[in-house]
Amino acid sequence: DTEVTQTPKHLVMGMTNKKSLKCEQHMGHRAMYWYKQKAKKPPELMFVYSYEKLSINESVPSRFSPECPNSSLLNLHLHALQPEDSALYLCASSHKVARNQPQHFGDGTRLSIL
Amino acid sequence: KQEVTQIPAALSVPEGENLVLNCSFTDSAIYNLQWFRQDPGKGLTSLLLIQSSQREQTSGRLNASLDKSSGRSTLYIAASQPGDSATYLCAVPGDAGGTSYGKLTFGQGTILTVHP
Repeated sequence: DTEVTQTPKHLVMGMTNKKSLKCEQHMGHRAMYWYKQKAKKPPELMFVYSYEKLSINESVPSRFSPECPNSSLLNLHLHALQPEDSALYLCASSHKVARNQPQHFGDGTRLSIL
Repeated sequence: KQEVTQIPAALSVPEGENLVLNCSFTDSAIYNLQWFRQDPGKGLTSLLLIQSSQREQTSGRLNASLDKSSGRSTLYIAASQPGDSATYLCAVPGDAGGTSYGKLTFGQGTILTVHP
């Protein structure tokens, strides 16, 4: 069991659908991250939130829209995705954005775009 | 720009063997290095975090070493078991104050298979 909880575990959606991925942690961490991982590749950073504010956007297409409503919750809103967006989406958290703070990962959401 | 390389890409060993996974990085000015394990279709589990001031970290059958000057880290697994089969990733954090701050740079991973 991980301390970072992601829902749903699996999601299948069409290219015209709107859906959201959810990530929750109750460790009091103030930094939260979204990563995208394709098969047999390492995770790629998408977004970083620090104290509920977006601090890093790695030039992610606007069809991915992150939201951090409070310090425990991170959402990723999806709209008009493409088949190449099919991947494992991982959420992570750390005490704060700092080099000495390890990141704790959830089990991810497996997303398939039809 | 920091680059992280892991060798070998895949490793298959019989149960009981001791093994070494390698991780190298191009910029030796790292703050720490983290080793993760990833089971198929799952998230990343942190195994060991070794600070730049440390040379070794141990947890059970795992031992990670760090040689900053040569840009290398190794993960030693003693008495391997089939349950150790997974992908092992190493990662280093970005520089303070730079655009990569808060970003982990990962190696490509080593896929380990331990067969009975």
